[in-house]
Amino acid sequence: EEQLVESGGGLVKPGGSLRLSCAASGFTFSTYSMNWFRQVPGKGLEWVSSISNSGTSIYYADSVKGRFTVSRDNAGNSLYLQMNSLRAEDTAVYYCARSPGLAAPDNGNCFDPWGQGTLVTVSS
Amino acid sequence: DIQMTQSPSSLSASVGDRVTITCRASQSVTPYLNWYVQRSGKAPKLLIYAASSLQRGVPSRFSGSGSGTEFTLSISSLQPEDFGTYYCQQSFSSPITFGQGTRLEIK
Repeated sequence: EEQLVESGGGLVKPGGSLRLSCAASGFTFSTYSMNWFRQVPGKGLEWVSSISNSGTSIYYADSVKGRFTVSRDNAGNSLYLQMNSLRAEDTAVYYCARSPGLAAPDNGNCFDPWGQGTLVTVSS
Repeated sequence: DIQMTQSPSSLSASVGDRVTITCRASQSVTPYLNWYVQRSGKAPKLLIYAASSLQRGVPSRFSGSGSGTEFTLSISSLQPEDFGTYYCQQSFSSPITFGQGTRLEIK
């Protein structure tokens, strides 16, 4: 079964840092682009970042550019999101998701499967 | 950014009904329009990609159509397990954007 499992969420103070992980199983991780999305509880979905299968092409939403860093470990079948300078507005459930094509956000990608999400709460 | 607007925002329908949800984009996104369903507390699930292609494993009662700026998701005969919030999403232009969601309740 193709599966993604996020971890690393929690409560952090404004200005703090957190590193999310996404463990992949059931498919050849190194052949797929990967993505991070987030969702404020009860609200809609927001794209955060995309990374190519090799890790050489990376894209960010303007809202996180300069603060968040996406990376991957193909040998360990894992995706990461390093989040620095966190703000209250970063509070959300963070999901990782797989996409079949190139990582570029204007490449026509769809996203499947998704992980179950991990909650990040930024509050003093 | 391309704005995605879904209508209605919510609807209630009975088992066996045909349901249609509309997604309008602020500019053409053909053919890069996808549909997802999110059931309470769960991750989104891909239903339709490239406007009209059924994702593997998704029941054939789901279908997608449209082009340019207007797209529809239809459910031909609503089943109890179809409740949830439906989202359209475009990946024609960066950033990737989603509609605000359509909450479907089963009567």
